[in-house]
Amino acid sequence: SAELTQDPSVSVALGQTVRITCHGDSLRSYYVSWYQQKSGQAPRVVIHSKTKRPSGIPDRLSGSSSGNTASLTITGAQAEDEADYYCSSRDRSGNRVFGGGTKLTVL
Amino acid sequence: QVQLQESGPGLVKPSQTLSLTCAVSGDSVSSGNYYWTWIRQHPGKGLEWIGNIFHSGTTFYNPSLKSRVTILLDRSKNKFSLNLTSVTAADSARYFCARDQTGDWVGDRWFDTWGQGTLVTVSS
Repeated sequence: SAELTQDPSVSVALGQTVRITCHGDSLRSYYVSWYQQKSGQAPRVVIHSKTKRPSGIPDRLSGSSSGNTASLTITGAQAEDEADYYCSSRDRSGNRVFGGGTKLTVL
Repeated sequence: QVQLQESGPGLVKPSQTLSLTCAVSGDSVSSGNYYWTWIRQHPGKGLEWIGNIFHSGTTFYNPSLKSRVTILLDRSKNKFSLNLTSVTAADSARYFCARDQTGDWVGDRWFDTWGQGTLVTVSS
């Protein structure tokens, strides 16, 4: 099955910009989605269809994708953005796959 | 607004079958373009896709779990279920049910709704 690779942890100073990346060959063929999971909570989608934000997600979160790399960018990070972030896509067989997750720390 | 709620035993003995149910409200499990999904998360670890079922009854399973997993739809009760056989301590995790939405084409998928998850411990 396809694999998606993420950096285990990233940190950002309050108000600065951070990019969380996701690498995988499946991203050349299929769209990525991104999920935010805060401690003790269920994940929630923050970006789908590569770049679309569901209602209620602040516009400081944005998505992009090129080749085998997808990115989630947070412009002007806030304390409430501190969370684990997961990318997800699918493989040729229709199976779904998650990246290993990135823990974002806001300093 | 769609809501999902997992239920099932929090403790399962080794070698037995883990059985969970996800009750769906605000939508029908028979509606199109959705895959009804199970995902788990081991303590302190990442998300692992277990498998899903389409409204037609077609299933997809994680190859690493396929020999032990069955996902079923119960249209009359508007819910879907997970059975995981021959469990070991490695199956102790929080189990989430989720709705997997399809966009404009088959390569555009995302989990738009999640249950809160239920913690399952495998122990004698």
